[in-house]
Amino acid sequence: QKEVEQNSGPLSVPEGAIASLNCTYSDRGSQSFFWYRQYSGKSPELIMSIYSNGDKEDGRFTAQLNKASQYVSLLIRDSQPSDSATYLCAVGGGGNKLTFGTGTQLKVEL
Amino acid sequence: EPEVTQTPSHQVTQMGQEVILRCVPISNHLYFYWYRQILGQKVEFLVSFYNNEISEKSEIFDDQFSVERPDGSNFTLKIRSTKLEDSAMYFCASSEALGNSGYTFGSGTRLTVV
Repeated sequence: QKEVEQNSGPLSVPEGAIASLNCTYSDRGSQSFFWYRQYSGKSPELIMSIYSNGDKEDGRFTAQLNKASQYVSLLIRDSQPSDSATYLCAVGGGGNKLTFGTGTQLKVEL
Repeated sequence: EPEVTQTPSHQVTQMGQEVILRCVPISNHLYFYWYRQILGQKVEFLVSFYNNEISEKSEIFDDQFSVERPDGSNFTLKIRSTKLEDSAMYFCASSEALGNSGYTFGSGTRLTVV
């Protein structure tokens, strides 16, 4: 069974700090990796995708992928209270199905 | 920005009744999906649909579930005889291409089975 593991949190960071969210996955054949943000009672919103080893930056967000270690991370710089949400790691194989982790709750404190 | 539209936003149904959840995917997208999220749990894949047929389904998607694209715009999920454990948020999603280019999710339908 393909698994995606995340620490459920909550992860609390002060406003302006860097938030670091981590995810591990079990299937070595995984090819695509995503971070979604989900506010309470809302649907997942895609914020980052990454497909190859290394870093990918988009504004305040940086996704990092290490396929050898089966590890994906998301860094959020200059964290804002509006970033407070649950962050879902999702992993895809060769097809079009995504396997989601349980999510990490992030709280950005004033 | 294009969006995936789901109706209704909330549906309450009695156990054993049939429900149909409706979705309008983004117009130029070719791949359609249903996921569900039981309260406090992870988002789970149900089914993917392409070229008017199911391309993949999970163990959850048993004979009680079916999907249909009855016209050029709607994509529906039917649950024939609902159970209490079907209570969840159901999300429709669509994507332009295969290979996990990242989905756009709809706002979801909260299904409550009583």
